[in-house]
Amino acid sequence: GAGVSQSPRYKVAKRGQDVALRCDPISGHVSLFWYQQALGQGPEFLTYFQNEAQLDKSGLPSDRFFAERPEGSVSTLKIQRTQQEDSAVYLCASSLADYTYNEQFFGPGTRLTVL
Amino acid sequence: SQKIEQNSEALNIQEGKTATLTCNYTNYSPAYLQWYRQDPGRGPVFLLLIRENEKEKRKERLKVTFDTTLKQSLFHITASQPADSATYLCARPNSGNTPLVFGKGTRLSVIA
Repeated sequence: GAGVSQSPRYKVAKRGQDVALRCDPISGHVSLFWYQQALGQGPEFLTYFQNEAQLDKSGLPSDRFFAERPEGSVSTLKIQRTQQEDSAVYLCASSLADYTYNEQFFGPGTRLTVL
Repeated sequence: SQKIEQNSEALNIQEGKTATLTCNYTNYSPAYLQWYRQDPGRGPVFLLLIRENEKEKRKERLKVTFDTTLKQSLFHITASQPADSATYLCARPNSGNTPLVFGKGTRLSVIA
């Protein structure tokens, strides 16, 4: 696969359930990002990894959100006790090296709907 | 945190004309701006990056300008085609070398 892949593409959860969203970045990409995109809005930064290190998690909206990238490749975004306001598209992006000045390659996103 | 505004939510344009999209930012000028294209149900796709010391950047039918006096970037598509219809996003680093802040995007519709 040449691009960033995400799974599942669609997820419906009942309020209070935990969900886990997966991101497979482009092989060899050092930087990995998670964004949240509400309908009609631009992507909003959640968190950033350089290899396995989570260097910035300032965008995570609450302590119910947790992300990891244990081996520096695949990443998982976990949302505990989902709320209706968590409904959004969650985008993952990767970048070849230090993201400064470098383009980001986005996956197709996971659309999360919390009922 | 820094703000970035794309003034038009939607822009309709006739095929063959030049589409011009606007991106305005607040506070200090970023080191660079990026432009992305997003189609429905897909993630954004990188188009162009323009640095603070560059006035203009071109790629095929695309042209981006960066005016630090006006705190504005303009994105032009010349000879627009229906296939150019998409949402276009402008993005800047929040401060220094920090992750990107995106605008809401402008939805462009090119009518045949």
